[in-house]
Amino acid sequence: GENVEQHPSTLSVQEGDSAVIKCTYSDSASNYFPWYKQELGKGPQLIIDIRSNVGEKKDQRIAVTLNKTAKHFSLHITETQPEDSAVYFCAASRETSYDKVIFGPGTSLSVIP
Amino acid sequence: DGGITQSPKYLFRKEGQNVTLSCEQNLNHDAMYWYRQDPGQGLRLIYYSQIVNDFQKGDIAEGYSVSREKKESFPLTVTSAQKNPTAFYLCARRGAQYFGPGTRLTVL
Repeated sequence: GENVEQHPSTLSVQEGDSAVIKCTYSDSASNYFPWYKQELGKGPQLIIDIRSNVGEKKDQRIAVTLNKTAKHFSLHITETQPEDSAVYFCAASRETSYDKVIFGPGTSLSVIP
Repeated sequence: DGGITQSPKYLFRKEGQNVTLSCEQNLNHDAMYWYRQDPGQGLRLIYYSQIVNDFQKGDIAEGYSVSREKKESFPLTVTSAQKNPTAFYLCARRGAQYFGPGTRLTVL
């Protein structure tokens, strides 16, 4: 069935360094790829998304890249800060079918001061 | 919290009891969703509703029930038929774009 893999499962970086989280998806019809940040005890928060008609999108210290041919997409966080520590989830869906959003298992990011 | 209110934040249930989790939204959106989150796993869809008085099963609907009598409300009932109900339950609107704060259910 449809699947989204996410790596690594845990990631520790020094404050100021960059963090990269990678995801792969199996449904070639997927065209919408959101990323979420979840702090402890809270619901996930959409932080950035990308659609299949673009290869890269940036928002301040966060960027996402998409390689449709390889069915890969990645989240890049630059100049990490302690408040970036959280669990990050990637997801994939066909934008017309929000009921078919498939989530990755999550990456626990720790930013060490 | 994405315009969604969930209550209670923590819920404890004895085995064999049904329990209902509340989800309310104030942004007049049609589509509402319930997800389940287990440690180390991604979110899994339980039920969703695109319109009042209509709802569809997601990937893990067994042991759960929902109703959608009003546009702003989409309560989830965890029944005694759910074999492993201890989890974090999240309500969302507009697909998976906006989530509520969640309810943590523990079966004693």
